[in-house]
Amino acid sequence: DAKTTQPNSMESNEEEPVHLPCNHSTISGTDYIHWYRQLPSQGPEYVIHGLTSNVNNRMASLAIAEDRKSSTLILHRATLRDAAVYYCILRDGKDSSYKLIFGSGTRLLVRP
Amino acid sequence: NAGVTQTPKFRILKIGQSMTLQCAQDMNHNYMYWYRQDPGMGLKLIYYSVGAGITDKGEVPNGYNVSRSTTEDFPLRLELAAPSQTSVYFCASSHSRELNEAFFGQGTRLTVV
Repeated sequence: DAKTTQPNSMESNEEEPVHLPCNHSTISGTDYIHWYRQLPSQGPEYVIHGLTSNVNNRMASLAIAEDRKSSTLILHRATLRDAAVYYCILRDGKDSSYKLIFGSGTRLLVRP
Repeated sequence: NAGVTQTPKFRILKIGQSMTLQCAQDMNHNYMYWYRQDPGMGLKLIYYSVGAGITDKGEVPNGYNVSRSTTEDFPLRLELAAPSQTSVYFCASSHSRELNEAFFGQGTRLTVV
């Protein structure tokens, strides 16, 4: 499984944008880039995913580099509820199990 | 919809005891997964299933067994519990590769003493 590298932690102020980076230099052409987050004492929840193009949804935006070796999750206005561990995961489109392999993620602290 | 339901929420086991962690989903999802999460760490895949009657090992399968007799249920069996199995266990499901999104349960916190 292709690996991802994320900073251990980041801090942000409430109501400011947050850019969470992820490096995946060994990504293959069939790997989808997924982001999940885990709020304290909860199971992970889906945030967003993409393959090649930038993606937007109601929770966040995903910016994917042209060479696909890195991506950035963008939270447009951080709230206290966004404090969580954010996981960047590569999901192989050829893998029939389509399993998610988690790394250690980035812990986001949001200051009021 | 209830989504993914895990029972029990908490359990304390003695070394050598056995138990089954239950996981049920009501979304008619084909794919189901079991993960464990040790304190301060990311999730590790234990077992997964791509449909009823089909299961396979993940990253850390030793000490566990699973079965998938129905689409809805995916129980995880611990035989001869050990302190190293103290962890939070999460079950997840997803419909298909195209839909991509996986749904997770709230977890079972297991302590082996």
